[in-house]
Amino acid sequence: LAKTTQPISMDSYEGQEVNITCSHNNIATNDYITWYQQFPSQGPRFIIQGYKTKVTNEVASLFIPADRKSSTLSLPRVSLSDTAVYYCLVGDHGNTGKLIFGQGTTLQVKP
Amino acid sequence: EAGVAQSPRYKIIEKRQSVAFWCNPISGHATLYWYQQILGQGPKLLIQFQNNGVVDDSQLPKDRFSAERLKGVDSTLKIQPAKLEDSAVYLCASSPRSAGWDEQYFGPGTRLTVT
Repeated sequence: LAKTTQPISMDSYEGQEVNITCSHNNIATNDYITWYQQFPSQGPRFIIQGYKTKVTNEVASLFIPADRKSSTLSLPRVSLSDTAVYYCLVGDHGNTGKLIFGQGTTLQVKP
Repeated sequence: EAGVAQSPRYKIIEKRQSVAFWCNPISGHATLYWYQQILGQGPKLLIQFQNNGVVDDSQLPKDRFSAERLKGVDSTLKIQPAKLEDSAVYLCASSPRSAGWDEQYFGPGTRLTVT
């Protein structure tokens, strides 16, 4: 599975748009990009998944450039409740479903 | 629909004692996972079941950890004997499909403290 690199921490203020970038230089052709969110004292929660270009759901948007060596999770107008750890994962839809979590990005939203 | 259930939520034991965790996945989910999450780190996969068979246990410390999934539904994870470094949150997750990179649904976890 491709290794990912993301910032350890980020700060933002309520109402701002937050963009978290993940680097995955060794991504393979069959790999998808998935983001999970984890609040304190809870298990991770799936946010969004994509293969190329742009994916949007009710929670976030995922931007993937043509070379797919990086991706950006965009959270529109964050609130205090978006304070959490965000994990970027890359993996093959054809494998057993094994997830390898990195350290994630701790997002702190301030009032 | 009900989520993944885990019990207990918290457990404190002394080193060399044994402990067991229980997980009830989402109904109908074929795949069940156990993760260990040490404070400040991302979750690490310990074992993956597909129905009641083991798919991946490459990172399970088999000299002290064991897991089973009876009848392809509930699962238990046991540690015997526990070490100080086993202090962590143990997360159970399930996914609906039996293969592929599917969305995983996590339970709240069991926080284990070994003293």
